[in-house]
Order: sequence, then C-alpha cells, then structure tokens
Amino acid sequence: AQKITQTQPGMFVQEKEAVTLDCTYDTSDQSYGLFWYKQPSSGEMIFLIYQGSYDEQNATEGRYSLNFQKARKSANLVISASQLGDSAMYFCAMRDWSGNEKLTFGTGTRLTIIP
Amino acid sequence: DTGVSQDPRHKITKRGQNVTFRCDPISEHNRLYWYRQTLGQGPEFLTYFQNEAQLEKSRLLSDRFSAERPKGSFSTLEIQRTEQGDSAMYLCASSPRSVPSHYGYTFGSGTRLTVV
Repeated sequence: AQKITQTQPGMFVQEKEAVTLDCTYDTSDQSYGLFWYKQPSSGEMIFLIYQGSYDEQNATEGRYSLNFQKARKSANLVISASQLGDSAMYFCAMRDWSGNEKLTFGTGTRLTIIP
Repeated sequence: DTGVSQDPRHKITKRGQNVTFRCDPISEHNRLYWYRQTLGQGPEFLTYFQNEAQLEKSRLLSDRFSAERPKGSFSTLEIQRTEQGDSAMYLCASSPRSVPSHYGYTFGSGTRLTVV
C-alpha cells in the first residue's frame, strides 16, 4: 500500500522568502510518480509539479522545484520568492504506474504568506 | 474549454435523503475520477471511469454510493440515504487518452455536501 506523510500542518512565511514543504512517501513499487497540488479556498486542486521515480534530475516548474531524494523517500516542494497568492493548502500525492489509476494524497500543509 | 465543471457547488441535505452530483470533464478527456475530501484530510479516491466503463472502485464506495458515466461524457455520483459522515467535498477530475500523462489530472472545484 502507498502512503504519503506531510508533517507540517501549517506554515507561515514572509513574502519573497523561499519555503520548503515536506513530503515523505512509502511504496514497494519501483515505478511511481510524485505530484504536488495547490488547493486555494475555492476548492479546486491545481497541479504544480511532477517527478517520476526514474527521473534523474529534480523537476522544476517556474518558481516551483521538487527536491527528490529517492533513497530517503522524500519529495519536498520548494517555492522560491513566495507571493501572497501562494497562500493555500498544498498536497503531496503519488501513484504507481502498474495500471493503478489511483492518486494517494497526504493530509496537506496550509501555507500562509505574510506581507 | 472551461475545464472540469461540477454541479452543484454546495448541497445541504437532511439525513436519509438521496443526493446526486454531476461532473462534466474536459471534452477530449476519456478518463474520469471521483475523490472525496473530508475536513483536514487530503482527497481519497472513490472510483474511476475510462469512457463509460467503471474500471476501479474503492472500498470507500459503499453500496449507498453509485457512479455512472452513461455516454462516456458527463458523470453522476449518487448517494442514497445520506448520513452525517457523508459530509465532505466531492471532487471530480479528468485526464486525456495518453497514458500515462502526469500532466493530465485536471480537477474541478468540487461539490461540498453538508448532511444535517
């Protein structure tokens, strides 16, 4: 069974600072994908970034980067130069590529950017 | 295309009543997913359709829950004899034909159900 652990229920960060949101995962599969989603108060889940288990380089998408440490089973999200609009819930998720279509989510981290 | 649409956005119902939610996916997406998100938790997978076929169901989907996607386009999720524990946000997502497409999961804004 797959499991995602996010140990930071909430974080407060000053605007323009960088922030790291922690995510550790557990799986027995060799081929899997890791995702980060942002959920603003409107409720929709917005895809941010993806890392495949065989990707050798850490994924980057604009101000988002994923610090992937496979041996430690961690996939931390780094947001550089935080903005007020970054205030939201952030969820780490994973799925395996063995034919299972299910995404398994963590419990999320509420990020608040302070002006 | 305006993305994944869900209707209604909010639903308040009395315990024991039946409710039905609708999801309209992105038109070229053949895969459709339902998730449930309770307060303070991440979304949990309920079920998955490829075209009109329901290919995967979670054990969370009790016999009071039924989902359909009759023509491979929109989908409905019905909850019969609602209980207070059914209060949650119900999220729909869709993804395109290409497999596996990690960019393909597009979520709707959800239907928030409150059972009183």
